[in-house]
Amino acid sequence: QKEVEQNSGPLSVPEGAIASLNCTYSDRGSQSFFWYRQYSGKSPELIMSIYSNGDKEDGRFTAQLNKASQYVSLLIRDSQPSDSATYLCAVYNLEGAQKLVFGQGTRLTINP
Amino acid sequence: SAVISQKPSRDICQRGTSLTIQCQVDSQVTMMFWYRQQPGQSLTLIATANQGSEATYESGFVIDKFPISRPNLTFSTLTVSNMSPEDSSIYLCSVLSGLNTEAFFGQGTRLTVV
Repeated sequence: QKEVEQNSGPLSVPEGAIASLNCTYSDRGSQSFFWYRQYSGKSPELIMSIYSNGDKEDGRFTAQLNKASQYVSLLIRDSQPSDSATYLCAVYNLEGAQKLVFGQGTRLTINP
Repeated sequence: SAVISQKPSRDICQRGTSLTIQCQVDSQVTMMFWYRQQPGQSLTLIATANQGSEATYESGFVIDKFPISRPNLTFSTLTVSNMSPEDSSIYLCSVLSGLNTEAFFGQGTRLTVV
């Protein structure tokens, strides 16, 4: 099993709809979880961090964490074409190591 | 968040040569990392750059191929040695910000080996 797993997509969503991105991780003891957005040719940009179970909202973005199920998700409401990018899930302190481990990323396309 | 300057932004190199990539941060940071991102792939951690001691390498990466320096808490270099076309990739410097462990990235170095 991969340490951090995402559906690589591509995921296609109509403009204005909700995009849902999912991520699972292998280490139940992990504490910090992040979503990064990466446009083609650019470096990853942090868009959400979450540390406790439940939902965390920031504008059109909502991160959801369920530690019992080892599952973290990102919802993008009112999707815009500018949201088209690759979204990377990252987990810190996987198996006690002080490093950030990334999933393979989900390519999201928002169709006008 | 920390401001990270990475250079060069891109380079085209001959096989067998070496390239040193620099990463400068505008504030002191404890944790600095080097990642590689191959075309169409996610980020793979190469090593943790430790200040004042040898870097900690991930499985599959060795010091002879990717020597790293970290002379202080704001600067690090990654050298890609004896390059081959398989080393063509984007190399990214990253730092962790404080207690929140949020990671921020430099602009990346796009390396092409011919």
